[in-house]
Amino acid sequence: AQRVTQPEKLLSVFKGAPVELKCNYSYSGSPELFWYVQYSRQRLQLLLRHISRESIKGFTADLNKGETSFHLKKPFAQEEDSAMYYCALRTGANNLFFGTGTRLTVIP
Amino acid sequence: EADIYQTPRYLVIGTGKKITLECSQTMGHDKMYWYQQDPGMELHLIHYSYGVNSTEKGDLSSESTVSRIRTEHFPLTLESARPSHTSQYLCASSGSAPNTGELFFGEGSRLTVL
Repeated sequence: AQRVTQPEKLLSVFKGAPVELKCNYSYSGSPELFWYVQYSRQRLQLLLRHISRESIKGFTADLNKGETSFHLKKPFAQEEDSAMYYCALRTGANNLFFGTGTRLTVIP
Repeated sequence: EADIYQTPRYLVIGTGKKITLECSQTMGHDKMYWYQQDPGMELHLIHYSYGVNSTEKGDLSSESTVSRIRTEHFPLTLESARPSHTSQYLCASSGSAPNTGELFFGEGSRLTVL
């Protein structure tokens, strides 16, 4: 069965420090991974998808099939990055499975 | 403006009441979803629909039911609410072509059953 694990419920970093939000998945098929973000008082929205190999707001994420991981990284955290981050896995059935989320706080 | 709307945003009701959470989208999407989220927990898919008159149950068993009579409308109904139904319910939609996998979410409906 598919599963997404985000081991950290809370993560605090200082402004300007690197940040890494961890995500591990289990799925027997070919995975598609996503990161969604929810800023305070805003809706859940897509941040980036692994297929695009893009950098959004300075964030990148690389799919590591050997380690079944899709960690989200940013070299220099900004205060506006404080938010709730969810890792999500899309299966062949075209449904998204979400992790429990990590609340990132960037300390000024 | 293309968007996805959920009403009510907040609802407090007594046990045994029937409730309907509304979800409408003006994005022209054919796929719609309902997720349930308890605080600090995963978002769990409880219902989805790939088009009119098509509804399926998600990975989390739910006593709620849904209907899809119109493309833009995907209401969720609880015939007899119980305290265990207290949760946040998120509606989402996605397009088909190109199918990027991106879901667009509404603002959510927070239900409290006393």
